[in-house]
Amino acid sequence: DVKVTQSSRYLVKRTGEKVFLECVQDMDHENMFWYRQDPGLGLRLIYFSYDVKMKEKGDIPEGYSVSREKKERFSLILESASTNQTSMYLCASSPVGLAKNIQYFGAGTRLSVL
Amino acid sequence: GDSVTQMEGPVTLSEEAFLTINCTYTATGYPSLFWYVQYPGEGLQLLLKATKADDKGSNKGFEATYRKETTSFHLEKGSVQVSDSAVYFCALSNQGAQKLVFGQGTRLTINP
Repeated sequence: DVKVTQSSRYLVKRTGEKVFLECVQDMDHENMFWYRQDPGLGLRLIYFSYDVKMKEKGDIPEGYSVSREKKERFSLILESASTNQTSMYLCASSPVGLAKNIQYFGAGTRLSVL
Repeated sequence: GDSVTQMEGPVTLSEEAFLTINCTYTATGYPSLFWYVQYPGEGLQLLLKATKADDKGSNKGFEATYRKETTSFHLEKGSVQVSDSAVYFCALSNQGAQKLVFGQGTRLTINP
């Protein structure tokens, strides 16, 4: 079975803290993605990576950065957390080739910034 | 740019009712279309997909037909169950792109 694992289900942080959200996939997928999910807005892409050390901005990259040092791991970093970053964060991965548009998702991390 | 619009929720139905969740899209070229489902406390998982006009995707009793003339990909099920309660997302992927564009999601609740 394919598996995308996000390190925390729930996180509570304070304004100004540096926050790391970790995601690991065991499917040897080239592509990895970070989304945030907010009611009424669906999923919005923050960043994605199509190879180790490669990254591209998504639709809402402001206030976020990412790191991909190994193929299986993709980290989302909030350099200085703010209350408007309270949200559900979802990580996904996908292969290249014919199945590249099928993304596999982790269970999500619900982040609260106080 | 590309976009997906879903019918607003929440949608509440009784068990065994007929379900339709509307989805329309705007895209250049010939996108692939998807429905993802998110059960409570879980991430999204692919429900069905269609890659070209007139294709019908189906899975778990759900169906959706890629209608290019109306730019639609409506999700249907003939008889819903309580276990179908979830949030449903319509999405598209355009030619050559590795990204998905999602609709806003529709929360479905099925009452026994």
